[in-house]
Amino acid sequence: SQQGEEDPQALSIQEGENATMNCSYKTSINNLQWYRQNSGRGLVHLILIRSNEREKHSGRLRVTLDTSKKSSSLLITASRAADTASYFCATAAIFGANSKLTFGKGITLSVRP
Amino acid sequence: GAVVSQHPSWVICKSGTSVKIECRSLDFQATTMFWYRQFPKQSLMLMATSNEGSKATYEQGVEKDKFLINHASLTLSTLTVTSAHPEDSSFYICSARDNDPRYEQYFGPGTRLTVT
Repeated sequence: SQQGEEDPQALSIQEGENATMNCSYKTSINNLQWYRQNSGRGLVHLILIRSNEREKHSGRLRVTLDTSKKSSSLLITASRAADTASYFCATAAIFGANSKLTFGKGITLSVRP
Repeated sequence: GAVVSQHPSWVICKSGTSVKIECRSLDFQATTMFWYRQFPKQSLMLMATSNEGSKATYEQGVEKDKFLINHASLTLSTLTVTSAHPEDSSFYICSARDNDPRYEQYFGPGTRLTVT
């Protein structure tokens, strides 16, 4: 069953603008991860945030996690046309050899040049 | 970085035939491999988890006799879709993980299966 639910389902912005995507989940997690998928391709790992972390940065990416609200957000600053892709959040309930990822439905981001 | 490949990248087969998809870890030893399927504009659904040398663990609702998984070596796992039907048409993605304490999964580029 799917754990994460992203919103919006689709987002269209102009190049240079910021893109904010949200993810909510239902059960306790050890960590939450964001992935990008270009059309018809595999997944690229973007960032991982642990349940004891509140915010993490990586280049133009900023991820926040609010475990009390069971939600996370992914902010892409100064977006580029190359950021056009689907973005998924995935949660892991435990950490370790038995860890599995549960993916949300994804958000389609279109960045207009 | 860790690279996972899949072969073929796309395949078309006739209904009733079987098709095998390979997943390889190219520069690391994959102690665990995962198989996902993804329908158009939908999320990835985990089908099964396989550990090298042991039987795969299938998720609820996934037919183990239809989706045969073999993880015979630390660099290769195969998914065989037996007696394929049009409803099996999907995008199949594998991921692999080594013993690194971070337990990060590395994803393959996916295989597009079309059953006619």
